Amino acid sequence: AQSVTQLDSQVPVFEEAPVELRCNYSSSVSVYLFWYVQYPNQGLQLLLKYLSGSTLVKGINGFEAEFNKSQTSFHLRKPSVHISDTAEYFCAVSNTGNQFYFGTGTSLTVIP
Amino acid sequence: DAGVTQSPTHLIKTRGQQVTLRCSPKSGHDTVSWYQQALGQGPQFIFQYYEEEERQRGNFPDRFSGHQFPNYSSELNVNALLLGDSALYLCASSLGLGLDTQYFGPGTRLTVL
Repeated sequence: AQSVTQLDSQVPVFEEAPVELRCNYSSSVSVYLFWYVQYPNQGLQLLLKYLSGSTLVKGINGFEAEFNKSQTSFHLRKPSVHISDTAEYFCAVSNTGNQFYFGTGTSLTVIP
Repeated sequence: DAGVTQSPTHLIKTRGQQVTLRCSPKSGHDTVSWYQQALGQGPQFIFQYYEEEERQRGNFPDRFSGHQFPNYSSELNVNALLLGDSALYLCASSLGLGLDTQYFGPGTRLTVL
């Protein structure tokens, strides 16, 4: 079985400051990892994904994440946030690409 | 190029009723997955359809059923509605059964009274 833990339910950060959203996963097999963003009243949009290869993954909107197998983590980072980054962020894991397990989400609020 | 569309956007039902939600996948996609997102929670996988067959299923009772049509569109049916079925229902489409990116629709907000 697989599961995802997002350690912070809410993260407030000032505009232009760096941010890290934490994600830890549990799985007995190799996994693929994803970060999605959900803006109010919208569906989820893929930010980035790790399938294999380099453990540092770059995504859209200046976000990046690092896969750490020994710590079973896949933390999301951005060096300088913008007001428009205010949204809900979900980490997800899959071992087949067919069934995804999502975390409970982290609400990022960027303060002007 | 239209993305994933879902209908209706909002729906109000009473306990015991039945509901049907609809999803049209992104152009070129042949796989549809359904998720339930309760308030303040992450999406939970319900099931996935490919070639008109249910391929994977999450931990949901048989009250939740689905269908995929030859044009790849899909329906989610929920029978004997419970208050706990109130949620945002998300449809995601992708190509094939591999690791193709899933594109999500805006969802249908179901309220059960």
